[in-house]
This record gives sequence, structure tokens and C-alpha cells, in this order.
Amino acid sequence: KQEVTQIPAALSVPEGENLVLNCSFTDSAIYNLQWFRQDPGKGLTSLLLIQSSQREQTSGRLNASLDKSSGRSTLYIAASQPGDSATYLCAALQTGNQFYFGTGTSLTVIP
Amino acid sequence: GAGVSQSPSNKVTEKGKDVELRCDPISGHTALYWYRQRLGQGLEFLIYFQGNSAPDKSGLPSDRFSAERTGESVSTLTIQRTQQEDSAVYLCASSSARLAGPPQFFGPGTRLTVL
Repeated sequence: KQEVTQIPAALSVPEGENLVLNCSFTDSAIYNLQWFRQDPGKGLTSLLLIQSSQREQTSGRLNASLDKSSGRSTLYIAASQPGDSATYLCAALQTGNQFYFGTGTSLTVIP
Repeated sequence: GAGVSQSPSNKVTEKGKDVELRCDPISGHTALYWYRQRLGQGLEFLIYFQGNSAPDKSGLPSDRFSAERTGESVSTLTIQRTQQEDSAVYLCASSSARLAGPPQFFGPGTRLTVL
């Protein structure tokens, strides 16, 4: 069974810093990998999706990479802002349409 | 509406009662998913609907859980004889393509508390 792990569980950084969130998965037979953010009291927001054939995706200050062979994905956030504070989740989609989610990284950006 | 909506936003029920949760996906989205997130745990897949195909029920934790969807519209998740361990936030998501490749769009969730 696929296991998805996110490190660190919590991260606190001063505003303006660049940071990296890590996601690892045990089964490389994935269809895609998706990064979400979760704000308290709100639903999940999809940030970036990387297909299994891709190496990275970029959106604004966010860059996500995927290395299937090593079972890793990273989410890079440049020039962090207080509004980036949220829980970040990665999810691996297996063939068969089942998502496996990590437990998330809680990010706090200090003004 | 512009996004996925769910109702109710909060539900408190007594152990043993049945509950029904509703999800309205984004119009035109053929795929619909139900997840739950228990306190301190990651998201857990429950069930997946794709168009008129038979749903993927592999994530349902017990036979007390069932879900229905009519065509490509509203879905309801029913939990019978609720137990305290059913307390969680139940999230619904929809996506536009057959193979679930595009991103999923999530609703705000229903917080279920079983006393």
C-alpha cells in the first residue's frame, strides 16, 4: 500500500525567506502528484499538479518537482509571505484513481 | 455556483443515528470524490464516481457507509448507525476529466461530530 510522508510536520519562517517542503512516497507507480494548501475552516485548494511524465511545475512563487525513481516531491516557495501560512498537503494518485495523502506540513510565516 | 458546495457545514448527531451529507460538484465535472479527515490524520479516500461508470468504493471503511450520485450531479454520502469514530470532516471534490488527471476542486467540507 502506498505511504506518503511529509517532512517537516511544522515549519516557522520569517517573512521573505525561501523554503522547501518535502513529500516522499513508497510506491513509484503513480499517475500524478498534487500539492494542496488547506486553510482553517476552508476546503483544500489545489496548487500544482505534476504528471508522472513531468519533472516540475511552476506557478508564480511556487515550484514543485517530482522524482519518481526516488519517490520524492518538493514544493519550493520563494519569498514567503504571511498569507502563505497554511497546511500544505501532497497527494499521490495511483492508477485506479485512488489518492494517497500525506499528513501535511503546517507552515507559519512570521511578519 | 463557481465552486464545489457541501451541506450541511456542521452536523452534530447522537451515536446510532443515520446522517446524510450532500455535495454539489462544479457543473460539468464528471468525476466526484469523497474523502474524510479525522483529527490529526491525513485525508482518507472514501469513494469515487466517474460519469455513469460503477463507483470505486474501495475506500469505504464499513458497510455503514454508502454514497449515491445521479448522473453527473449531486452526490449524497450516507452513514448509518453512526459511531464516535465517524467524527471527522468529510470533504467532497470534483474534477473535469475522465482519468482524474486535472486538479481536483474541493468543497469546504462537512464537520460531523458524533456524540
